[in-house]
Amino acid sequence: QVQLVESGGGLVKPGGSLRLSCAASGLTFRDYYMSWIRQAPGKGLEWVSYISGSGSSIHYADSVKGRFTISRDNTKNSLYLQMNSLRAEDTAVYYCARIRGSGDYPYFFDYWGQGTLVTVSS
Amino acid sequence: QSALTQPPSASGSPGQSVTISCTGTSSDVGRYNFVSWYQQHPGKAPKLVIYEVTKRPSGLPDRFSGSKSGNTASLTVSGLQADDEAVYYCSSYAGSNIVVFGGGTKLTVL
Repeated sequence: QVQLVESGGGLVKPGGSLRLSCAASGLTFRDYYMSWIRQAPGKGLEWVSYISGSGSSIHYADSVKGRFTISRDNTKNSLYLQMNSLRAEDTAVYYCARIRGSGDYPYFFDYWGQGTLVTVSS
Repeated sequence: QSALTQPPSASGSPGQSVTISCTGTSSDVGRYNFVSWYQQHPGKAPKLVIYEVTKRPSGLPDRFSGSKSGNTASLTVSGLQADDEAVYYCSSYAGSNIVVFGGGTKLTVL
């Protein structure tokens, strides 16, 4: 069965950087678009970014554009999120999720990881 | 992109039905049949329960159903069970390679 396992979260100071990873198994990873979605403590879900199977198509929410970079390594079945210039409002649980859609258009997320907590605080 | 609008709470007794609404705009819910719903129990990851407005993932009971009218989508949970108590989020493709979520509705089984 599909399994997504995030790692790399932790405590970081404002302005700092962190790199999240998501290890995928049980699927032909290169065939799927993948996404990062976050959830601030006690709040709702917020889509962050997604990337095509080949890595050639990438999109970001305005709230992270220019600060976050999504990438993937299909040889390692892994998805990444490099987060720079972190702010207090980036504090959240970050989930990786598999996308189902058509072409470059994400329609829904059918598998989610358990999430990794990022806390931005001095 | 603005978040979709959901009521903060909903409730029903075991065996009853409850409907949760999700209101967007003509640029997202009203334009695309790509509304999905997710169930999230405390401390757990979200789980897909409805996709493309009305479709259920394999293995999900038919007590969960979805619909859409204009800019508003709805999730109906019939025959409420204790385990249905959770927060439910709607989501929609919003064009321009953007996805938006609702703020979530906490469903309480009385």
